[in-house]
Amino acid sequence: SQTIHQWPATLVQPVGSPLSLECTVEGTSNPNLYWYRQAAGRGLQLLFYSVGIGQISSEVPQNLSASRPQDRQFILSSKKLLLSDSGFYLCAWSPDRGRVGQPQHFGDGTRLSIL
Amino acid sequence: GENVEQHPSTLSVQEGDSAVIKCTYSDSASNYFPWYKQELGKRPQLIIDIRSNVGEKKDQRIAVTLNKTAKHFSLHITETQPEDSAVYFCAASILPSNTGKLIFGQGTTLQVKP
Repeated sequence: SQTIHQWPATLVQPVGSPLSLECTVEGTSNPNLYWYRQAAGRGLQLLFYSVGIGQISSEVPQNLSASRPQDRQFILSSKKLLLSDSGFYLCAWSPDRGRVGQPQHFGDGTRLSIL
Repeated sequence: GENVEQHPSTLSVQEGDSAVIKCTYSDSASNYFPWYKQELGKRPQLIIDIRSNVGEKKDQRIAVTLNKTAKHFSLHITETQPEDSAVYFCAASILPSNTGKLIFGQGTTLQVKP
């Protein structure tokens, strides 16, 4: 069966510090991968998605970047964190089935607090 | 652009009553509609989904209905229990696309009072 791992679970960082969140998927190949951010009490905002190694699409302009160095690894980064980067970050994957819609499966999330 | 409207934003019911959450989507090409449940501080979890070639799907106390003509789909929870309290998100697939992207509604906070 497929599993998704996301770490760390919680992170407290000072303003201006760098960030690296990692997500890995097991039990599948060539998944579609996604990074979402969720502000407290709010909905899911899609930040980045990837359909393959090295292929990253950004949904909103921001202080963050993403990379996919391996098929089942997705990394969210920042060079200098802002207070507005605080939130609950969720990684998700879905199987690649072309144009047939598929469920997305979420990791446990990283709660990021910027001080 | 594509959009999913979800109503109501909050819903409070008595234990044992039914709860209905409704969503409207804009992209007539959407062919897949999942529902997620998110408990406080946890990840969203898929609870039920429906494809555009089906009008209704049921799984124990939860059911989803789809009206493609009106571009509406709804989640029905019967015999609600306190553990049903959570935020519920509807979503619709974005097509034409091979990215697997979903567009999510803004969520409904369901409170089931014992």
